Amino acid sequence: AQSVTQLDSQVPVFEEAPVELRCNYSSSVSVYLFWYVQYPNQGLQLLLKYLSGSTLVESINGFEAEFNKSQTSFHLRKPSVHISDTAEYFCAVINTGFQKLVFGTGTRLLVSP
Amino acid sequence: DVKVTQSSRYLVKRTGEKVFLECVQDMDHENMFWYRQDPGLGLRLIYFSYDVKMKEKGDIPEGYSVSREKKERFSLILESASTNQTSMYLCASSEPNREKLFFGSGTQLSVL
Repeated sequence: AQSVTQLDSQVPVFEEAPVELRCNYSSSVSVYLFWYVQYPNQGLQLLLKYLSGSTLVESINGFEAEFNKSQTSFHLRKPSVHISDTAEYFCAVINTGFQKLVFGTGTRLLVSP
Repeated sequence: DVKVTQSSRYLVKRTGEKVFLECVQDMDHENMFWYRQDPGLGLRLIYFSYDVKMKEKGDIPEGYSVSREKKERFSLILESASTNQTSMYLCASSEPNREKLFFGSGTQLSVL
């Protein structure tokens, strides 16, 4: 079975500052990793995913995440955040057989001017 | 773009009522899912379906049932609503490989 830990329930940050949202996972088998984002009053949408290849993956709006197998982590980073990045971010993991997607508890990113 | 539509954004029901939450997707996806979202608990899977009339229990199926009579529609049923079922309910769909889930905007259910 897989599990996901997002230790930070809330991360406040000022506009244009860098941010890192932490995600650690546990699994006895190989996994794929995802970050989903939920903007206020909306459903979740896929931000980025790691399936194979380069361990550094990027989204179209400037976020990036790096798969670190030795540390079982998939932290999400952005060098300079905008007010519009205010949202809740969920890390998720699935085994490579695509059997069950497991979500973390979410991190609320609060960007203030 | 895939669209997953949930019939109600907000719903208020009384304890003991039978509640139907409807979800429709327009991309012919095989998989459909029902999650509930609670603060501090993230998303928890209630039920999922991988084909018409096929369903499997998720992590928290107690007090819920589902129906999938047509490929595009997946209904969540609360047989007798209770206050501890007050929550945000999210429907999602995907292709079989589950590389990407498409979510509806959610139904905030309050049971009084």
